[in-house]
Amino acid sequence: GQNIDQPTEMTATEGAIVQINCTYQTSGFNGLFWYQQHAGEAPTFLSYNVLDGLEEKGRFSSFLSRSKGYSYLLLKELQMKDSASYLCAVMDSNYQLIWGAGTKLIIKP
Amino acid sequence: ETGVTQTPRHLVMGMTNKKSLKCEQHLGHNAMYWYKQSAKKPLELMFVYNFKEQTENNSVPSRFSPECPNSSHLFLHLHTLQPEDSALYLCASSQDAGSYNEQFFGPGTRLTVL
Repeated sequence: GQNIDQPTEMTATEGAIVQINCTYQTSGFNGLFWYQQHAGEAPTFLSYNVLDGLEEKGRFSSFLSRSKGYSYLLLKELQMKDSASYLCAVMDSNYQLIWGAGTKLIIKP
Repeated sequence: ETGVTQTPRHLVMGMTNKKSLKCEQHLGHNAMYWYKQSAKKPLELMFVYNFKEQTENNSVPSRFSPECPNSSHLFLHLHTLQPEDSALYLCASSQDAGSYNEQFFGPGTRLTVL
């Protein structure tokens, strides 16, 4: 079966760094996405990785290791507005997105 | 308007009612999707339309009926729903459904079935 695992909830302090991990087992691989979803709002696209390595975009970076079926999202200089759920999704061989349940990130002052 | 819009934002219905959810995208995309999001569960893909043709129906009960009259509009018709169908229903669109393309989501309809 297809499976995406990520922690249910994480807590971090404003100004700090947090790493949200995602492991996956899917039928084929056509890339991994990270989305951010604030409570009551639409998920919004953060990053896409299809090759191994680190992609940096401002305060957010995303890493992929295809051999390990592993990705992480790194958030630096945390701000209160970063409190949200972070969704990991893998595009399978049929170009369908397989989603994790999301990681709720709580930022404390 | 820009992006992906959904109406209504909130809906409460009885199990014998018939209602419809509407989604409209203003991005010129060719693929549209319906997802169900329940608390602490992964997004569940329900239906996919690519160039107005339904390409996926992931074992969704027949009480959910999609309609895609054109590439910009997507409906989800609901009838005789069950309380366990209460969830957030998200619509999304992408350039097309056959390759990598990020999906753009609407704000969702929060559905409560009594």
